[in-house]
Amino acid sequence: RKEVEQDPGPFNVPEGATVAFNCTYSNSASQSFFWYRQDCRKEPKLLMSVYSSGNEDGRFTAQLNRASQYISLLIRDSKLSDSATYLCVVNGDNDMRFGAGTRLTVKP
Amino acid sequence: EAEVAQSPRYKITEKSQAVAFWCDPISGHATLYWYRQILGQGPELLVQFQDESVVDDSQLPKDRFSAERLKGVDSTLKIQPAELGDSAMYLCASSLMEGWAEAFFGQGTRLTVV
Repeated sequence: RKEVEQDPGPFNVPEGATVAFNCTYSNSASQSFFWYRQDCRKEPKLLMSVYSSGNEDGRFTAQLNRASQYISLLIRDSKLSDSATYLCVVNGDNDMRFGAGTRLTVKP
Repeated sequence: EAEVAQSPRYKITEKSQAVAFWCDPISGHATLYWYRQILGQGPELLVQFQDESVVDDSQLPKDRFSAERLKGVDSTLKIQPAELGDSAMYLCASSLMEGWAEAFFGQGTRLTVV
């Protein structure tokens, strides 16, 4: 079993749609969680950290469920510019493990 | 804005040759990571340094890959000999501390082995 697993995607949604990604992790001792965004052939860039209480940044909402060992990312009112691959990152034993990524395409 | 510097950006090498990548992390970042990313997959951790010490190299193919961070600042990742399957993006990232802080990535080195 992989340490970090994500919805395989791809997700193809129209502009304005709401889309949600889930990610599960296997190490119950994991300490910190992040969502990264990666554009085609570019490096990953931090989108947002994920806190136990949940956090929101504009159209983006991240949530953590420690009991079920998953994190989620919700994107509201999708824009064309949201098209990218979204990577779930989990810190387990003081290292940072990435999921395989979920590809999102927002269409006009 | 501080950045993680990597070089070269692109490298084409013949199989069985040696190749090396260089990374200079953000100043003050104690933790440095090397990842390999194959197209369509997520980054796979190869090695993690805390200052000059290796804290995790369990996924590093040690028969052909080596990494060092001698003075706890910049780092070099080497492959010798390169194989066709090593073609990938090699990403370096750094963070203030292991465990809690987010990592910042360099632009990567795209390696093609022919």
